[in-house]
Amino acid sequence: EIVLTQSPGTLSLSPGERATLSCRASQSVSSDFLAWYQQKPGQAPRLLINGASSRATGIPDRFSGSGSGTDFTLTISRLEPEDFVVYYCQQYGSSPWTFGQGTKVEIK
Amino acid sequence: QVQLQESGPGLVKPSETLSLTCTVSGGSIDSYYWSWIRQPPGKGLEYIGYIFYSGSTSYNPSLKSRVTMSVDASKNQFSLKLTSVTAADTAVYYCARRGTLGKAFDYWGQGTLVTVSS
Repeated sequence: EIVLTQSPGTLSLSPGERATLSCRASQSVSSDFLAWYQQKPGQAPRLLINGASSRATGIPDRFSGSGSGTDFTLTISRLEPEDFVVYYCQQYGSSPWTFGQGTKVEIK
Repeated sequence: QVQLQESGPGLVKPSETLSLTCTVSGGSIDSYYWSWIRQPPGKGLEYIGYIFYSGSTSYNPSLKSRVTMSVDASKNQFSLKLTSVTAADTAVYYCARRGTLGKAFDYWGQGTLVTVSS
């Protein structure tokens, strides 16, 4: 089973700043099948990024994904007020598909 | 627009079986992987497993001995059964679709809270 470790656990930033979230895998993610999700309180997660770097339909271009193998990054170029929520990475290249533990982006 | 809706009891007694159904509308169940994911209150996401439209399955090893998934293509539904539940199984349960061509979970249900309590 691939274990995903997200860091930091909590990121304290101000609106307009750049956010960099990390996801490290315990072994290489097959085909770079790494996704990022955003979850707002009381809602289901929303897909942001597929395949490590491909934005999902309707996702603003301030969200970008990068990385390959075992190290992946989600970058939010300029934080909007609605971006201060929780983000999860997930690998879906090897069964069982697994999630990271999440990073909370909070207002500083 | 594809929509997923979970249904089932919101309260299950310890040692009993949790049963949930996900109904897919606005699209076919064919050619996709369909998954269950859960989230204990205040905690992160836990992947439970998937069922392919053809019926093949894969489960999280930590739950494998207690999980069964099935699909009913005629009703555009798939289901989850989790046996011998305890309080640790209390969570919001989500169903989700894995997209084609390398996509991840692109459609999710709204989630349903299942509480295990006597």
